[in-house]
Amino acid sequence: GAGVSQTPSNKVTEKGKYVELRCDPISGHTALYWYRQSLGQGPEFLIYFQGTGAADDSGLPNDRFFAVRPEGSVSTLKIQRTERGDSAVYLCASSLDGTGEAFFGQGTRLTVV
Amino acid sequence: GNSVTQMEGPVTLSEEAFLTINCTYTATGYPSLFWYVQYPGEGLQLLLKATKADDKGSNKGFEATYRKETTSFHLEKGSVQVSDSAVYFCALSTLSNTGKLIFGQGTTLQVKP
Repeated sequence: GAGVSQTPSNKVTEKGKYVELRCDPISGHTALYWYRQSLGQGPEFLIYFQGTGAADDSGLPNDRFFAVRPEGSVSTLKIQRTERGDSAVYLCASSLDGTGEAFFGQGTRLTVV
Repeated sequence: GNSVTQMEGPVTLSEEAFLTINCTYTATGYPSLFWYVQYPGEGLQLLLKATKADDKGSNKGFEATYRKETTSFHLEKGSVQVSDSAVYFCALSTLSNTGKLIFGQGTTLQVKP
């Protein structure tokens, strides 16, 4: 596609449920990033993929968060046993090879009730 | 650790006024510096960047100069327009081979006609 696509755009879930957030990067981009943006804050880094592998997952807050990119294109961020504190906008970005400009999607707004 | 601090907003200006949004950083090594902009209803977009000391990034009438001695990267524009109303994020990257970004908290700019 023309840009980074994230689905769904909004997700409301109950505390304790499992959620999956999807990111379709720009075609041909090998680098993919997940960030989390809480209200009134800047995005916080979660994880970086280069191809299929997670090259840096130092930003994942705990073991309830996991992300995959099995074919080096689409990525899924998975959150288990959601908590109200997980409510935020989850942003995905991609870049050609990790050294160039990062292009961001519009994000998925996750609300845990 | 590495961090970015921006002036708090919102910043409210009249059309054609001069804009400065302050940004200072703390980082090990020699980071690259960025300004991203988020227009209402849109995703984050790269506005400008600078990769070494004394470099000036510029785009759409905006400028920022990488000042190593003051660890700053202030955003300026000589004459703002209503269409510049957005949230502006300063960011740094210390790992040039990954593109991982550390963001400030964002500054909201409102330009009134």
